[in-house]
Amino acid sequence: NAGVTQTPKFQVLKTGQSMTLQCAQDMNHEYMSWYRQDPGMGLRLIHYSVGAGITDQGEVPNGYNVSRSTTEDFPLRLLSAAPSQTSVYFCASSYRQVRQPQHFGDGTRLSIL
Amino acid sequence: KQEVTQIPAALSVPEGENLVLNCSFTDSAIYNLQWFRQDPGKGLTSLLLIQSSQREQTSGRLNASLDKSSGRSTLYIAASQPGDSATYLCAVRPVRGGGADGLTFGKGTHLIIQP
Repeated sequence: NAGVTQTPKFQVLKTGQSMTLQCAQDMNHEYMSWYRQDPGMGLRLIHYSVGAGITDQGEVPNGYNVSRSTTEDFPLRLLSAAPSQTSVYFCASSYRQVRQPQHFGDGTRLSIL
Repeated sequence: KQEVTQIPAALSVPEGENLVLNCSFTDSAIYNLQWFRQDPGKGLTSLLLIQSSQREQTSGRLNASLDKSSGRSTLYIAASQPGDSATYLCAVRPVRGGGADGLTFGKGTHLIIQP
């Protein structure tokens, strides 16, 4: 009964470092997405994928990279971390049909020093 | 561009009261609207999903309504309890982009239920 699993839960990076935030789901959902949550801004879409091998940009994609090699996994990469990327990151998944509910992971809290 | 607004931003009420949280959106072309609960430092828990063709959904003490034409939704919480304290988020799935653009979120209502 895992649902959407995000790792790590917390991470501190130095400016310029790279890292990958992991997201996995076990519900066979075609659609997966990444959001960031900042105080006073609400959640904003970074990237999304409608299936393996297909990704596209959301509202705030700059500084992030994604790939989708399997249905289960949708990692988010920070190539060169910047303090502006300090945020809480959420991964979500759903069946591809647009009327299906979105399921969210518990988030990754990322601080860039 | 779709915008979602939640009023009030914060609310503190005594235990046992019935309360209403409001959500408005600027573009009525949506597939559905979803209410979430977020506890401090935690993820989002889906509470209710209302399709664009529906008027309301109920789950236990929660009732959500949708008036798509006027761009409004309300979340009604009956007989509030301290355990209901959390931030409540409203999100719509816009038709624009074929739904692939995910959800557009409001900034949330921070609710405190006083024992």
